[in-house]
Formats: sequence, C-alpha cells, structure tokens
Amino acid sequence: GAVVSQHPSWVICKSGTSVKIECRSLDFQATTMFWYRQFPKQSLMLMATSNEGSKATYEQGVEKDKFLINHASLTLSTLTVTSAHPEDSSFYICSAVEGVEDNQPQHFGDGTRLSIL
Amino acid sequence: RKEVEQDPGPFNVPEGATVAFNCTYSNSASQSFFWYRQDCRKEPKLLMSVYSSGNEDGRFTAQLNRASQYISLLIRDSKLSDSATYLCVAYKLSFGAGTTVTVRA
Repeated sequence: GAVVSQHPSWVICKSGTSVKIECRSLDFQATTMFWYRQFPKQSLMLMATSNEGSKATYEQGVEKDKFLINHASLTLSTLTVTSAHPEDSSFYICSAVEGVEDNQPQHFGDGTRLSIL
Repeated sequence: RKEVEQDPGPFNVPEGATVAFNCTYSNSASQSFFWYRQDCRKEPKLLMSVYSSGNEDGRFTAQLNRASQYISLLIRDSKLSDSATYLCVAYKLSFGAGTTVTVRA
C-alpha cells in the first residue's frame, strides 16, 4: 500500500522551457503532498506544501511564480517549473501523507531528475 | 543551526558488522521521527518509525532520546545491500542530510 507515482522520471530540456511534473497517490487519498528538491550530496529541501483545493504554501526563498503547484484532486499534485534555467537542474521529489495526523510517515514518489541545458 | 543534523559518514564496515549512528534535532516540540533509506539517485524509502520506547525491525533498531534530543539507528549483521544513505526526519518535515553507510565484502 501507500504507493506514490511521479512522472516523468527524467527530463532534459532547453533553457526557457516550462516543465510539468506530476505526483499521484495511487492507492490512498492524500490531503497534503509535499515537493522537495535535492542537490547532489545534500539533504532534501522542502519547497512547498500542497493542499488539495487550496493554494500551496511555499518555503522561504522559493519563488511561487517560478514553481507553480496545483493540487487538483486528492490524488494528484503537479509542479510546473516555469521558464527553467540550468540552475533549476536538480532532483525533484514529491511525497504524500495518508491522513492528517502528524505521526504519519511520508511516502515518496520516484523523483524527477531535471536537467536544463 | 540546522534543525536536524547527521554525521555524513561515510561509515565503511565489513559485512556482518554492527554499525550505529545518531541524528540530533533542535526542535524539542518534534513528536514524530522516522528513518529513511535513500539509494544513490533514487527516492527515499521509509525504513522505520521511531517510537519513544525504542523499536526493532529485524536487524534494525531505532532509539529516541528526548532528553538529549537525538535518535539513533543501529544495524546488526550488516549486509552488502544495506549500503545506502540513511536520512532521519523529525517532524515537521525536517530531514537530515543523511549518513552514508558502505558495507564491504
């Protein structure tokens, strides 16, 4: 149980392209999903918290106009990196929590490796 | 100061050895703790939750020390497949940078 699917797993794009990443909870409803970014040999950095039916909450320093998040349903959240540049190249991972209790673990998607040329 | 800190390692251990490492957290209000395992270029996978009384899952034992604000993970009888980076999480949503463990034959 608790499977999270993330797509695509690898993207290579030219600078200036917008890239959409999907995160789906396959066998449970996720009121809340999270988006992380991870640079090589560094920890996961929370970018934003995505709540179904409402605006995402962004962490300090994360540009909301750059990283558009849409949580359209209880099983789908999308992250769009708008006008991506080489410095946006990173490993982007989503996670979802089943239920609303704080003691529930996060279940991660496979991650999306984004490379901007 | 980071909310969650880990010794990055690497811990290089022979197969069959026991390896243990800690993770300190700064937010005393944290209530939930987890250990995740992350293989190179892959997503983190939940290894185990950490309970106040300590818990064991096969060869893995997790402990929580609230007084000193750290959690620990102990791996007994290390296998080659245990080689990975181990991330600790203190809620809310603070990940450590990970401890790299390499088990050699």
